[in-house]
Amino acid sequence: NAGVTQTPKFQVLKTGQSMTLQCAQDMNHNSMYWYRQDPGMGLRLIYYSASEGTTDKGEVPNGYNVSRLNKREFSLRLESAAPSQTSVYFCASRGNTIYFGEGSWLTVV
Amino acid sequence: LAKTTQPISMDSYEGQEVNITCSHNNIATNDYITWYQQFPSQGPRFIIQGYKTKVTNEVASLFIPADRKSSTLSLPRVSLSDTAVYYCLALGGGGNKLTFGTGTQLKVEL
Repeated sequence: NAGVTQTPKFQVLKTGQSMTLQCAQDMNHNSMYWYRQDPGMGLRLIYYSASEGTTDKGEVPNGYNVSRLNKREFSLRLESAAPSQTSVYFCASRGNTIYFGEGSWLTVV
Repeated sequence: LAKTTQPISMDSYEGQEVNITCSHNNIATNDYITWYQQFPSQGPRFIIQGYKTKVTNEVASLFIPADRKSSTLSLPRVSLSDTAVYYCLALGGGGNKLTFGTGTQLKVEL
């Protein structure tokens, strides 16, 4: 009964490096989301996917790309990391309600 | 997704009942009102959901008036462990772009 699983949980990157955050859900949900949350702030939507094969921009998409690989998986890629992307990243999927992963802590130095 | 408005913060003491009100004037007919709780360093988790009148579970109660333009989350006899951010969402079939407001930071003290 995993729900939403995110990897990695912690990552330190150097400015300019790239990386991909992975997210998978086992609830057969169509809609999946990526949020970022800066210290003391609310959740901001980066990208979302209403169904397999579709993705759309959220509130803060700049500097990110996403892939909805299949119904289960929705990845977030930082092509050239910047210190401003230091944040906690949450993946979520939506059924009757929204289920969140445990978060991925990313630090860009 | 209907815009929601909540107080930024609330303070309470252990053992008291806390009521957090959320305004959602433009709620759609198909929308449910859903509340989430977020502890530091964790993802939000579902607390309670309702369409109208009153819903109660083991954690909280949700009161929704007939016009559905607002809702009130009621936490009975709060404890220190209820210190968290609480988010209100109007969730339904009106779209998939789910954005969260600032939420309400509840601080419970001894």
